[in-house]
Amino acid sequence: GAGVSQSPRYKVAKRGQDVALRCDPISGHVSLFWYQQALGQGPEFLTYFQNEAQLDKSGLPSDRFFAERPEGSVSTLKIQRTQQEDSAVYLCASSRSQNNEQFFGPGTRLTVL
Amino acid sequence: KNEVEQSPQNLTAQEGEFITINCSYSVGISALHWLQQHPGGGIVSLFMLSSGKKKHGRLIATINIQEKHSSLHITASHPRDSAVYICAVTKGGGSEKLVFGKGTKLTVNP
Repeated sequence: GAGVSQSPRYKVAKRGQDVALRCDPISGHVSLFWYQQALGQGPEFLTYFQNEAQLDKSGLPSDRFFAERPEGSVSTLKIQRTQQEDSAVYLCASSRSQNNEQFFGPGTRLTVL
Repeated sequence: KNEVEQSPQNLTAQEGEFITINCSYSVGISALHWLQQHPGGGIVSLFMLSSGKKKHGRLIATINIQEKHSSLHITASHPRDSAVYICAVTKGGGSEKLVFGKGTKLTVNP
């Protein structure tokens, strides 16, 4: 593919529902990042994969958040029992290898009612 | 205090003006990034730099490692430059994650 893709682009969930957000990185990119961007704020780091290994999950706000990248390509961010404060844009980025430019997807806008 | 601070928070300019956005950081870094985000759109990487100066078209980015400061300049600004410009750093030490500033919202009027 030409770039990083994310799906769905928009998601509305009722409080308490589980959601799954998908990221397809650029083919061959080793590193994959998830960021959360609240309205009017800069993005904040959630978690990072190098191939299938989750090397840093220090930014995940609670144990309701879980991310995986089982085959080192596509990644899924899962949020269980969504809360209103989870409403944000979830951005995925990938890079070719360590210390390289990160390429961002269009984001998934999650609204929890 | 945030590790990455940007100024100004909002900036309005007339078409053709020279624009400067500033970024200061308080941690050791391996690289500094300037990113552009259009309303409702994704983020595009403009520059990644660890020293000196880079130029791409009408955009120039500089960094002073000793002063922990970077600037993004836009020459001959145009309304299509209207966007949020975000400064971010990679802290290094094996960590690749980006630490972001809050962004500068630029509006260029015709």
